[in-house]
Amino acid sequence: SYELTQPPSVSVSPGQTARITCSGDALPKKYAYWYQQKSGQAPVLVIYEDSKRPSGIPERFSGSSSGTMATLTISGAQVEDEADYYCYSTDSSGNRIFGGGTKLTVL
Amino acid sequence: QITLKESGPTLVKPTQTLTLTCTFSGFSLSTSGVGVGWIRQPPGKALEWLALIYWNDDKRYSPSLKSRLTITKDTSKNQVVLTMTNMDPVDTATYYCAHSGGSYSEGYFDYWGQGTLVTVSS
Repeated sequence: SYELTQPPSVSVSPGQTARITCSGDALPKKYAYWYQQKSGQAPVLVIYEDSKRPSGIPERFSGSSSGTMATLTISGAQVEDEADYYCYSTDSSGNRIFGGGTKLTVL
Repeated sequence: QITLKESGPTLVKPTQTLTLTCTFSGFSLSTSGVGVGWIRQPPGKALEWLALIYWNDDKRYSPSLKSRLTITKDTSKNQVVLTMTNMDPVDTATYYCAHSGGSYSEGYFDYWGQGTLVTVSS
């Protein structure tokens, strides 16, 4: 079955740039999306269609995709950005898939 | 303003059938392109997509759980119902419903409910 692979954890100091990757064989043809989930809360969409930012999401969040890898970049990460981040996409059959999640630590 | 809220039992016994209801407002499931999906998250684990239903009654299911899932909609009540048969303790999770936006083939979940924790235990 199709999978999206993320690193389990990423750690940065406040003000540094955090990059979280997501790899999947269908990503050259399918969009990647990114969700932020803070402890005890529902996920929040932070990037859609590879690189678009929903209204209300800070400009420090950006996304890109090249080949089989999508990347979420948080430029100047802040303590409040500490959360779990999930990539999401679809496979060729229209099934929806989430990646395994990446725990971002900012300290 | 789009809102969704999940409701259903908090505790089910193994082998029982789980029925969850998603009640939403701020959009209509009779509008072209609109969908509602279900996603779950076991404690401390990753999100898992379960099912999705569209305005035209097209239904999609996770291949790994397809035999156990049924999703239906009641447009007049603004509700979507998910049933999952033969519940097992590994199905213990927070279950979310979410509005599906974007294209028909690559819809994504842009509005989420708060989630409801379902525990499977005898």
